[in-house]
Amino acid sequence: DIQMTQSPSSLSASVGDRVTITCRASQSIDNNLNWYQQKLGKAPNLLIHGASTLQSGVPSRFSGRGSGTDFTLTISSLQPEDFATYYCQQRSRAPLTFGGGTKVEIK
Amino acid sequence: EVQLLESGGGLVQPGGSLRLSCAVSGFTFSTYGMSWVRQAPEKGLEWVSGISGSDGSTYYADSVKGRFTISRDTSKNTLHLQMNSLRAEDTAVYYCAQGFGGVFGSTLDYWGQGTLVTVSS
Repeated sequence: DIQMTQSPSSLSASVGDRVTITCRASQSIDNNLNWYQQKLGKAPNLLIHGASTLQSGVPSRFSGRGSGTDFTLTISSLQPEDFATYYCQQRSRAPLTFGGGTKVEIK
Repeated sequence: EVQLLESGGGLVQPGGSLRLSCAVSGFTFSTYGMSWVRQAPEKGLEWVSGISGSDGSTYYADSVKGRFTISRDTSKNTLHLQMNSLRAEDTAVYYCAQGFGGVFGSTLDYWGQGTLVTVSS
């Protein structure tokens, strides 16, 4: 199975900050990487697919980069509604696997 | 509007069985892959099982292989997850999700609200 490792596991940031979350795959997955946002008590929401394609309706302050084994999710200017947990997920092959999550908290 | 509504969760004893259902609407069920994803209390997301929209091929996580069975009833637009030989570590909120791309819809676009399964004596 492909292991996905996210870092950091949590971070504290202020509104307006630029935030970057890293995800690393245990083997090359080309650009087969998705990012989800999950707010407390809610189902996850797809933000980015194919490493860098913004899902319809997702604000442009979110962006994704990377290929192979190393990927990043960046929020260019953190907004109050962005405080949540973020997960990466590889879609290269079954079983699908998620990273452990990054909780973004208010500083 | 795409909607997914899970049901069937509840309290079950270790070794018991439970069948989850996910009623879908707003899209052509038979043409999309579907998955079940679970989340244990205070833990991260774990993909459990998927089914291809094109040919009905099924896929499982090692942790549930041989115990869980995913299926779909296209006449009723319903996805199922039959869970047997349940263990305490299967306790989680179970989400169904519609996917696109890949063999069985491996990008999870629409999600249900989740149903809680608790395995305890």
